[in-house]
Amino acid sequence: SQQGEEDPQALSIQEGENATMNCSYKTSINNLQWYRQNSGRGLVHLILIRSNEREKHSGRLRVTLDTSKKSSSLLITASRAADTASYFCATDVYSSGSRLTFGEGTQLTVNP
Amino acid sequence: NAGVTQTPKFQVLKTGQSMTLQCAQDMNHNSMYWYRQDPGMGLRLIYYSASEGTTDKGEVPNGYNVSRLNKREFSLRLESAAPSQTSVYFCASRRNRDSYSNQPQHFGDGTRLSIL
Repeated sequence: SQQGEEDPQALSIQEGENATMNCSYKTSINNLQWYRQNSGRGLVHLILIRSNEREKHSGRLRVTLDTSKKSSSLLITASRAADTASYFCATDVYSSGSRLTFGEGTQLTVNP
Repeated sequence: NAGVTQTPKFQVLKTGQSMTLQCAQDMNHNSMYWYRQDPGMGLRLIYYSASEGTTDKGEVPNGYNVSRLNKREFSLRLESAAPSQTSVYFCASRRNRDSYSNQPQHFGDGTRLSIL
């Protein structure tokens, strides 16, 4: 089964609103990464948070990590139509060598 | 800087045909990966190469073979294509092999493969 599970599966908001996506995982991790996928394209790395970090910011993105609950959240503030995409979390686990394990993604639609 | 380049972008095969998907990266990365993505699902790892000269199975290796031709190139071969292998295939690369290096993966734009 997938290491990471995103919630919700789909999210529809209006431009200017904030979007929050959640990711839960099962085993101890070295880091957790968030990726965006626009329709018909490959995944693009957004942000990486290490297991000893609790919060990280990059522009309009804010990621939190709670290792005690084995969960992470991605907040996109002041959303734009161009943020419409699928968002995936991926866990980097100590025992997996060089592999990432991806969740099933959240489909975000930002309506103009 | 092209990043990760996959060829072809689209392909239609008949059941039983063979095909090789090509992937090349120009970032001098050590590790390379092949994933498949089915509708509404995340990525599932088929095979990966942690470093030049090594390959390992991922979650869904059956029906596929890989070759790490050199540091730049990692190919995926379907020996006898089946309709269940209809999917979008993504190649990715990463600078370092171990998780302690805290590196992201870089993806190509995919090969859309249909098997009739």
